[in-house]
Amino acid sequence: EVQLVESGGGLVQPGGSLRLSCATSGFTFSRYSMNWVRQAPGKGLEWVSYITSGSNIKYYADSVKGRFTISRDNAKNSLFLQMNSLRDEDTAVYYCATYYGDYDYWGQGTLVTVSS
Amino acid sequence: DIQMAQSPSSLSASVGDRVTITCRASQGIGTYLAWLQQKPGKAPKSLIYAASNLQSGVPSKFSGSGSGTDFTLTINSLQPEDFATYYCQQYHTHPYTFGQGTKLEIK
Repeated sequence: EVQLVESGGGLVQPGGSLRLSCATSGFTFSRYSMNWVRQAPGKGLEWVSYITSGSNIKYYADSVKGRFTISRDNAKNSLFLQMNSLRDEDTAVYYCATYYGDYDYWGQGTLVTVSS
Repeated sequence: DIQMAQSPSSLSASVGDRVTITCRASQGIGTYLAWLQQKPGKAPKSLIYAASNLQSGVPSKFSGSGSGTDFTLTINSLQPEDFATYYCQQYHTHPYTFGQGTKLEIK
């Protein structure tokens, strides 16, 4: 059974940092590019970041560029998102996911709340 | 950035109806388009990839078409479990971008 489990969310003050993790199992993680997608309360989906299977290419949404860093550990089947200089508008549920082919793997999401 | 204009933003329909949702890209994306379904409080679920390919386990009542800039998602014979929010997303060029979503509600 494929599982993706995000963790690391929580309440943080503006300007603070959080590190999200996504632990995966049930598929060959090292063969897949991965994404972080977020959803602010009551809003639509926003793609956040992408990393290739070998970590050689990374992309970011303009809204997080320079503040967020995506990484992965293929030996531990895990994906990460280091989030620095957090803003109110970063409040959202963050999902790790990969689905651009004949596969559809999503975590359940972790809530990040940025508030003073 | 490639903008994805999805319409309508909301749609009321009855059980048994057929509905169509459209997505227009601001520039050509070939067939690098996915359609996703999201129900309240749940993670999104991919329905279609590469514009017209059904994900495994997705009922054939869902179909996608289009290429270049214009795409459609059609849902036949609506059932109560189909009432949800639907999103398109291009994955041709980073940053990958979503449409604003279409909320499908029961009439």
